[in-house]
Amino acid sequence: AQKVTQAQTEISVVEKEDVTLDCVYETRDTTYYLFWYKQPPSGELVFLIRRNSFDEQNEISGRYSWNFQKSTSSFNFTITASQVVDSAVYFCALDSGGGADGLTFGKGTHLIIQP
Amino acid sequence: DVKVTQSSRYLVKRTGEKVFLECVQDMDHENMFWYRQDPGLGLRLIYFSYDVKMKEKGDIPEGYSVSREKKERFSLILESASTNQTSMYLCASSSQGEVRYEQYFGPGTRLTVT
Repeated sequence: AQKVTQAQTEISVVEKEDVTLDCVYETRDTTYYLFWYKQPPSGELVFLIRRNSFDEQNEISGRYSWNFQKSTSSFNFTITASQVVDSAVYFCALDSGGGADGLTFGKGTHLIIQP
Repeated sequence: DVKVTQSSRYLVKRTGEKVFLECVQDMDHENMFWYRQDPGLGLRLIYFSYDVKMKEKGDIPEGYSVSREKKERFSLILESASTNQTSMYLCASSSQGEVRYEQYFGPGTRLTVT
């Protein structure tokens, strides 16, 4: 069975602070994919990143960075110098196996950036 | 850009009504999905389809059915709507291949069953 845990239900920080969103996953598959999605107040999920289980290299995209550690089954997301526009619900998701089995989502972390 | 559209942003239906939620994607994706999103529960997979006329149950298929007659269109059907089906419904699509591609989501339909 697959499971994704986002232990932080809500995080509130002041603008320009750095913030890390935690994601811990469980799967018995050796090949799997991890994703992060952003859901702004408008409601539409926006894809941020995909990572496969064989690529443990960390990734940086502007103010966003991701830390994938297989040893701890974690795929954490850090926003540096946060901005009010980063306020959203962020979801971590897991996909493994063949075919089109759909994503297993965490329950999401509501990030509030205060001006 | 991938475009996934859903027929309605907001829908209000009565208990017992048959409800159709429509989803259309314009990127020739093989895979299509229906999720529901509820506060505190995240997104849960209802049904998915990897080809025309093919469908597979997700984690919570009870009370729902689907139809995929054309590659670009995936419909979710509530045979007899109940109040516990009040939720946000999200459709998604993705390419098929040896790797898992990201899913692209529609804007969602907020369904209220009274």
